[in-house]
Parts: sequence; structure tokens; C-alpha cells
Amino acid sequence: SQQGEEDPQALSIQEGENATMNCSYKTSINNLQWYRQNSGRGLVHLILIRSNEREKHSGRLRVTLDTSKKSSSLLITASRAADTASYFCALLSGSRLTFGEGTQLTVNP
Amino acid sequence: GAGVSQSPRYKVAKRGQDVALRCDPISGHVSLFWYQQALGQGPEFLTYFQNEAQLDKSGLPSDRFFAERPEGSVSTLKIQRTQQEDSAVYLCASSPLMGVSFQPQHFGDGTRLSIL
Repeated sequence: SQQGEEDPQALSIQEGENATMNCSYKTSINNLQWYRQNSGRGLVHLILIRSNEREKHSGRLRVTLDTSKKSSSLLITASRAADTASYFCALLSGSRLTFGEGTQLTVNP
Repeated sequence: GAGVSQSPRYKVAKRGQDVALRCDPISGHVSLFWYQQALGQGPEFLTYFQNEAQLDKSGLPSDRFFAERPEGSVSTLKIQRTQQEDSAVYLCASSPLMGVSFQPQHFGDGTRLSIL
């Protein structure tokens, strides 16, 4: 099954700055999802973008999808300390979601 | 409404013991998933139920792992003769509809299993 690969593995920024995380994959997809995980907690769904969509917004989140480059990016604008978490892209293959290793985002107050 | 609930939150067992992990999905959710998450890694798929039917168990790492959802709601993941490599966080997720294509999954906070 295919797996998304997030980049960078870790990102540390100051509160108020923007954070960009990238996800690359290898085969065709129906959709790509982004999830967030706070330490010791379960994953929380952020955004689902379909293969025929190029960009999607939700509050301070912006997701782009470039199927020709097989990549997606998650942008968090005006970051807050509460955005500190791990962020995963997830790809659907058959009945399973496959996750990458994630990007650990630290937002310093 | 209540989210996905998993119990226990923490489980410590000695190598060779059997353990059972419980998942209460969101009421009415048809699809239920189990994942295993090692430290510093993303979750890895274990198995998928649609109501009481286990449609995909290809991610279960060995025949020591067994999952059931007999009445189409609560699910139990059982690990027999536990090994140290079974130490991980076990996450349960549910989603409201049949099929998995275009719907997000709702996750519980997981059970952290430590095998001594």
C-alpha cells in the first residue's frame, strides 16, 4: 500500500508565523486527508481534499493538492502555541488509510 | 455527543499474557478501524469492520491478533501471548457510513500497551 511522506520531519516556529508542511506520494489517489495529533491523544481530522480539487480552506488552514507532482501541502497561518502537534497526511488504498511518519510542529510562544 | 471511547487508556502486561482492548465507537457509526502506532511513527492499519463484518484484516501482524465486533457496535482487539514488540498505542476509529472513500475517521485517544 502506498504511504505519504511528510516533509519536514520537524518544524519549530514562533507564534504568529506561518507553518507549511508537505506530503508526497507515489500512486494515484481518490483523496488525501490531513490529520493532527496532540501528544497522548488520538488523531483529529482536519481537511479532506479530493483528487479533482486543487485547493481547500478551513479557517487558518489551507491545503493544496498537485496531482501532477503527486504532492500536497498544509499551510497553517498565524500559528498559535495550541497548534503544537504532529501533523499527518493520509492516503486511501483499498479499505485502509495509510499515514506517513508525520511532521512534528512546535509553535513557540 | 460522545466521541470514540477506548479502554483501558493504559495497559501493562507481562510477556506471554493475553490482553483485550475495547473500543466504543460513536453511536450509529457503521465503519470501525483499528490502528497500531509505534512511538514516533504514524498509525498503521490493522483491521476494518463494516457493522459486524470484518471486511479487511490484512494489517493484523500475526495470528496472535484477533478483533471482533459481534453486534456491530463495540469492538474488542485481543492479543494473545503478548510479545515486547506488541508495545504500542492501539487506536480505534469510526466513521458513519459504509465504505471509506470520502469520509473522515473519528479517532479515540488510544490504549497505550506496554509489554514487560
